Amino acid sequence: AQTVTQSQPEMSVQEAETVTLSCTYDTSESDYYLFWYKQPPSRQMILVIRQEAYKQQNATENRFSVNFQKAAKSFSLKISDSQLGDAAMYFCAYRTWGLTFGEGTQLTVNP
Amino acid sequence: EAEVAQSPRYKITEKSQAVAFWCDPISGHATLYWYRQILGQGPELLVQFQDESVVDDSQLPKDRFSAERLKGVDSTLKIQPAELGDSAMYLCASSLAASGSPGQETQYFGPGTRLLVL
Repeated sequence: AQTVTQSQPEMSVQEAETVTLSCTYDTSESDYYLFWYKQPPSRQMILVIRQEAYKQQNATENRFSVNFQKAAKSFSLKISDSQLGDAAMYFCAYRTWGLTFGEGTQLTVNP
Repeated sequence: EAEVAQSPRYKITEKSQAVAFWCDPISGHATLYWYRQILGQGPELLVQFQDESVVDDSQLPKDRFSAERLKGVDSTLKIQPAELGDSAMYLCASSLAASGSPGQETQYFGPGTRLLVL
């Protein structure tokens, strides 16, 4: 069975600074997808960024980028120029069919 | 922009009662998922439909939970009887298709139904 581990229950960052959220996973599959989802308080889950395991190039979406280390089974999310609106619970997720989520990291952005 | 609709948004019930949640996926999305999210944890997949067929319900507690998607469009998740431990957020998600490379399709989530069992 696949497992996803987020070792940082809480993180905080100053506005305009950079923060990195960690995620590791365990799988025996070779073809899979990895995702970071954001869940703001009382709002629905939205996709932040995705990474195909067969691609060596790290995905980037504006201020969000990932560091994907396939051999180490590591998939961290870097948020640059943090904004107050980035405050949310962030979930790392692995997918072959349904999504397997980590426990989440609560990100606080301090003004 | 098309969204996944869920109702009700909040439900309070007493243990041993029956509850039902409804989900309407984005139009044209063949795959529908139900997740359960206990407070402070990540969502856990309960059941996945491809059109009207169940693809995966290995994590669905079948003694009390049931799910259906009769016409391959909207779906209902039922709990009977509800237990205290069922208090959670129930999330519905949909994606365009699950054939070929299923992980390729982005899942879009609804706002969820928050259930409190007293």
